[in-house]
Amino acid sequence: SQQGEEDPQALSIQEGENATMNCSYKTSINNLQWYRQNSGRGLVHLILIRSNEREKHSGRLRVTLDTSKKSSSLLITASRAADTASYFCATVQGAQKLVFGQGTRLTINP
Amino acid sequence: EAEVAQSPRYKITEKSQAVAFWCDPISGHATLYWYRQILGQGPELLVQFQDESVVDDSQLPKDRFSAERLKGVDSTLKIQPAELGDSAMYLCASSLAGAGSYEQYFGPGTRLTVT
Repeated sequence: SQQGEEDPQALSIQEGENATMNCSYKTSINNLQWYRQNSGRGLVHLILIRSNEREKHSGRLRVTLDTSKKSSSLLITASRAADTASYFCATVQGAQKLVFGQGTRLTINP
Repeated sequence: EAEVAQSPRYKITEKSQAVAFWCDPISGHATLYWYRQILGQGPELLVQFQDESVVDDSQLPKDRFSAERLKGVDSTLKIQPAELGDSAMYLCASSLAGAGSYEQYFGPGTRLTVT
């Protein structure tokens, strides 16, 4: 069963622009993680934000978490062609289970 | 840099045949996960091991799927018999401990096509 829902499902922007993806979830969480997946490959962990945190930065990535709205956003600034990938949010439920959303397919046009 | 290894990378099999996937996690990672990812969707957990013990296999179709991690290191996922609906990417991941506090490291996956 999928927990999170990413929005939009697909996003196409020009290189250099900022990309924003949103994730909504349904149940209480311990933390929320974002992963990137290049076409046909495994997933790569990008960032983890805990339920008591509101914002976190890592390089060109900025993640926010609003537990009252059960939502998170991932912002990629100054996008590059290499950022073209699918991005997934994943929530940690209960003790240890990681539940992924459907993903946002991001395309960066040169 | 240490990586999660998976083999084979691609597998084509006929329905009703048996198929097996192998995963070697990053050394020292106690927790190992098998996910199934249907095209266009996010990964779905099939089974989670803590060392050699199964922690969660609630989404594993146990009538045809089996998984083992006998010595708490590498793991095998088996499907017998394979069905057309099993066509998907099978991903293995590992982490130092449970998903709660640690990131998961994913292997490249095995793309299964059942004909």
